[in-house]
Amino acid sequence: GEDVEQSLFLSVREGDSSVINCTYTDSSSTYLYWYKQEPGAGLQLLTYIFSNMDMKQDQRLTVLLNKKDKHLSLRIADTQTGDSAIYFCAENAGYSTLTFGKGTMLLVSP
Amino acid sequence: DAMVIQNPRYQVTQFGKPVTLSCSQTLNHNVMYWYQQKSSQAPKLLFHYYDKDFNNEADTPDNFQSRRPNTSFCFLDIRSPGLGDAAMYLCATSTAGSSEQFFGPGTRLTVL
Repeated sequence: GEDVEQSLFLSVREGDSSVINCTYTDSSSTYLYWYKQEPGAGLQLLTYIFSNMDMKQDQRLTVLLNKKDKHLSLRIADTQTGDSAIYFCAENAGYSTLTFGKGTMLLVSP
Repeated sequence: DAMVIQNPRYQVTQFGKPVTLSCSQTLNHNVMYWYQQKSSQAPKLLFHYYDKDFNNEADTPDNFQSRRPNTSFCFLDIRSPGLGDAAMYLCATSTAGSSEQFFGPGTRLTVL
């Protein structure tokens, strides 16, 4: 079955880059997603990458996809305190359903 | 603004007392989803509707039911809440054939 794994916690200083990693198991996934969840809130779509791409850049966000190793990463440049949140990696498990990882809590200190 | 709305944001119920959570959307999306998210865990898909077609996940307990009376609204009914059902419940929508999902703010359910 599908399983998405993420490290649980990352702490960085304001201004540094953050890299959040994810591994997935379903090689047939067409899209891979990164969602952000702030405390007490729903999930906000940050970015996504199509499986035939290996990199996507969107302002401060860079997504890298290594399809051979089933590894996905999200790099946040110039991390700000407002970036503190939980970040979820998700793959589309079949049709339009998603399988989420447990989330990585990013803590940005001043 | 087109959006996904969940009411109430916080719901308290008693053990065994039926409760209904609601979700509405102005996106006119065909597909609506309900997820359960417990603390420090991944959102877990309970079921989804493709238009009026209901799709239940194999491991969703019978205690959880859903209704979708029209495109805009979808309800989650918990018939006899247990302490283990305390969680954040997230509603999401997508267009047909797309896995890009748009989430509401969630309803946090407390069971006393």
